[in-house]
Amino acid sequence: GQQVMQIPQYQHVQEGEDFTTYCNSSTTLSNIQWYKQRPGGHPVFLIQLVKSGEVKKQKRLTFQFGEAKKNSSLHITATQTTDVGTYFCAEYNFNKFYFGSGTKLNVKP
Amino acid sequence: SAVISQKPSRDICQRGTSLTIQCQVDSQVTMMFWYRQQPGQSLTLIATANQGSEATYESGFVIDKFPISRPNLTFSTLTVSNMSPEDSSIYLCSVKSEETQYFGPGTRLLVL
Repeated sequence: GQQVMQIPQYQHVQEGEDFTTYCNSSTTLSNIQWYKQRPGGHPVFLIQLVKSGEVKKQKRLTFQFGEAKKNSSLHITATQTTDVGTYFCAEYNFNKFYFGSGTKLNVKP
Repeated sequence: SAVISQKPSRDICQRGTSLTIQCQVDSQVTMMFWYRQQPGQSLTLIATANQGSEATYESGFVIDKFPISRPNLTFSTLTVSNMSPEDSSIYLCSVKSEETQYFGPGTRLLVL
């Protein structure tokens, strides 16, 4: 099956610092989606990237899809305590979703 | 968008028993999925629930253990059969609507 690797596994930052999580695949991805799961909550869809080199922004969040469509990143500028949670990437292909292992973000006030 | 509800939200069950989890969507959707998530882990796809036909199971999951029903385009059930403590987990249903996947709130299952 498809394998999407995600790093780092954990990240602890001070409020106001930046944060980045990376998703990597050995094969070309059809697309990449990003989700956020708050502690005790369920995953919530953030965005989908489809095009090579695509960059999308949502306020302090910047999403990138690599030129070769084998990697993606989510960057948060000036983290806030509301950013706490686990961020997952996922590919939708062959009528199902393949999730990365997730990056757990903790933000210290 | 799609709003999904799941019942029960949590349960504590004895080993050897079965639990049926219900998933209700507020709109008609073609694709519905069932996942399992261990605490602190990623999501593992159990099966895709197909309306009008048998579910499609992922490797490691079988129909006898996790029978699924999908009687219409807004509803599905997942049964966890003959439970053991290893089945303790969070079970999530989700739907795909256009580009977006929406998740239910999850069912937290503890098997003693």
